[in-house]
Order: sequence, then structure tokens, then C-alpha cells
Amino acid sequence: GNSVTQMEGPVTLSEEAFLTINCTYTATGYPSLFWYVQYPGEGLQLLLKATKADDKGSNKGFEATYRKETTSFHLEKGSVQVSDSAVYFCALAYMNYGGSQGNLIFGKGTKLSVKP
Amino acid sequence: DGGITQSPKYLFRKEGQNVTLSCEQNLNHDAMYWYRQDPGQGLRLIYYSQIVNDFQKGDIAEGYSVSREKKESFPLTVTSAQKNPTAFYLCASSIGQGTRSYNEQFFGPGTRLTVL
Repeated sequence: GNSVTQMEGPVTLSEEAFLTINCTYTATGYPSLFWYVQYPGEGLQLLLKATKADDKGSNKGFEATYRKETTSFHLEKGSVQVSDSAVYFCALAYMNYGGSQGNLIFGKGTKLSVKP
Repeated sequence: DGGITQSPKYLFRKEGQNVTLSCEQNLNHDAMYWYRQDPGQGLRLIYYSQIVNDFQKGDIAEGYSVSREKKESFPLTVTSAQKNPTAFYLCASSIGQGTRSYNEQFFGPGTRLTVL
């Protein structure tokens, strides 16, 4: 079935460090891929997305590239800030061959803490 | 400002009582969703609705019920049949099925339910 696996946290980094959060997926058809972010005490916000192979999503200095050959969508940022401390969720939305869309399937989330 | 509101932010319930969580959106979105979030579990889909007067069970619908009488509103009732209801509940909405942005979901701030 369809699933998302992301690296377990928590991840603790110093300010200005390089961030990678790994995400791999299993899906039938041609999924769209997403990263959502949840700041403490809040709901989730869409951070970036990619809808086809080799697409790169980017927002607020974060990037992720849709790699079909490795079924991955790793999140990266070159220089993290304290304000990036949050929980990050990788998600997929599968598309079947008929073109109808399934609902989002989320990974378990990775907590990031950035220290000054 | 357009968005999703959930109320209350914190809710306490005695065992054996039903309780209803409110979710309202003014984004003119057709689709609405309820998720449950537990520590280390990610988000799990309870119910979703793609159009007024229609809704479908998600992955963990047992012990929950919903209604969709208005486009703007999608209340969730946690019944006494739900064996472990203490959790963080998130409501979301998106543009309707069949659009490229179907799975760009907008989330409310959540309701934390505690059963005493």
C-alpha cells in the first residue's frame, strides 16, 4: 500500500547549520509529494510540494526534490534559524491511473530543535 | 482574513460523555477533513467530506461521527464508544476534488481533548 517513512527525531542543530530530513515513500501510480510544518501549539502549514518526478519544491529557504528512482523527497535547508524549530511532516497524495486523487498520507513527523 | 477556526482550543470530558468539536472555514473550500494527532503517530484521518451532505470514513472512524450540512462547517462528535479519545484533533480544508490543488490542505489551530 501507500506509505511515507521519514527519519525519526528529534533533530537538534545549532543555528546556521545545514539541515536534511530524510523522507522515502511507497506508492502506486504517480503521487504528489508535500512537506508540511507544525510550529508549537499550532496546526500544520504547507511548506512546499512537488507534483512530478525531478520537480523541486522550495519555500522560505527550504528545498526538496522529487526523486522517483530512489522514491525520496528529502527536505534540506542550507542555514537553519531558531525560528525553524518545529515538527516537519512529509506526505504523499497518490494518483491512480484513472486520474482520481487519494487523500494525504502523512509520515510520523520529525521534530527539529535549533539552538542559538 | 480567510481561514479555519476550531473551538474550543482545550476541551475536557468525563468518561462516557459525547463531545462535539467545532470546525468552520471561510475559504469557500469544498473538501474538509478531520485528523487525530497522537505523539509519535503522525496524523491519522478520521472522516472527510468532499461536498455538502456527503462524507466518508477515514482510517480510524470508529467512535466518531460527523455532519456536513453547510459548506463552511464540519463538526466532529467524539462519542463514548471511542475507547481512547485523549488526543489533539485537527480540522483541514482544501479546494474540491479534481483540481490540481486538491491536496493543498489548510489546517486549523487544533483542539486538545482530554478525557478525565
